[in-house]
Amino acid sequence: EAGVTQSPTHLIKTRGQQATLRCSPISGHTSVYWYQQALGLGLQFLLWYDEGEERNRGNFPPRFSGRQFPNYSSELNVNALELEDSALYLCASSSPGHWDRGFHEQYFGPGTRLTVT
Amino acid sequence: QKEVEQNSGPLSVPEGAIASLNCTYSDRGSQSFFWYRQYSGKSPELIMFIYSNGDKEDGRFTAQLNKASQYVSLLIRDSQPSDSATYLCAAISGYSTLTFGKGTMLLVSP
Repeated sequence: EAGVTQSPTHLIKTRGQQATLRCSPISGHTSVYWYQQALGLGLQFLLWYDEGEERNRGNFPPRFSGRQFPNYSSELNVNALELEDSALYLCASSSPGHWDRGFHEQYFGPGTRLTVT
Repeated sequence: QKEVEQNSGPLSVPEGAIASLNCTYSDRGSQSFFWYRQYSGKSPELIMFIYSNGDKEDGRFTAQLNKASQYVSLLIRDSQPSDSATYLCAAISGYSTLTFGKGTMLLVSP
């Protein structure tokens, strides 16, 4: 069974540009989560999509946005890039059901390393 | 503010010893707890999850949960050098959001 895939592996942008990151969940998973892992800050929750809808959002500015497509893949867009956006962006997926009771596990993709210069 | 706290380490143990990793959480509403292993430059890999008070064993790994004390731990028996990594504790509260600790670095020396 294929795991979560992300593209690109690395992305280099300059300040002020836009970045688009992509994620394909494990087959059968309907939820996609995005996390940012910056040096010294740990994993920070960004966004959660389920069945095409944004279900929850972390404490990030609106220039971080995304969407989920009918095939459950997802895209994260970061507008007006700032130097501090340089980080590893991780996508995770989970299977449907029981998320309201916390009974599900999230599996991570390999990540996209975004560097803003 | 929901928080998950871990000692950053490093925790150094000799090969074959038991490594004990600890985690506390602030949100009493947290229902589910997860341990991830992250090698340097790689993404987190799910090792264990636990929902109920008590112990849960899987191979060399045992997760322990004490909801009254808001405490989660991971024991790794017969530690191997390949277990050297950062171990992330995470908790889910309510609406399916994982809150991660900053991780404990484990070093297993041959």
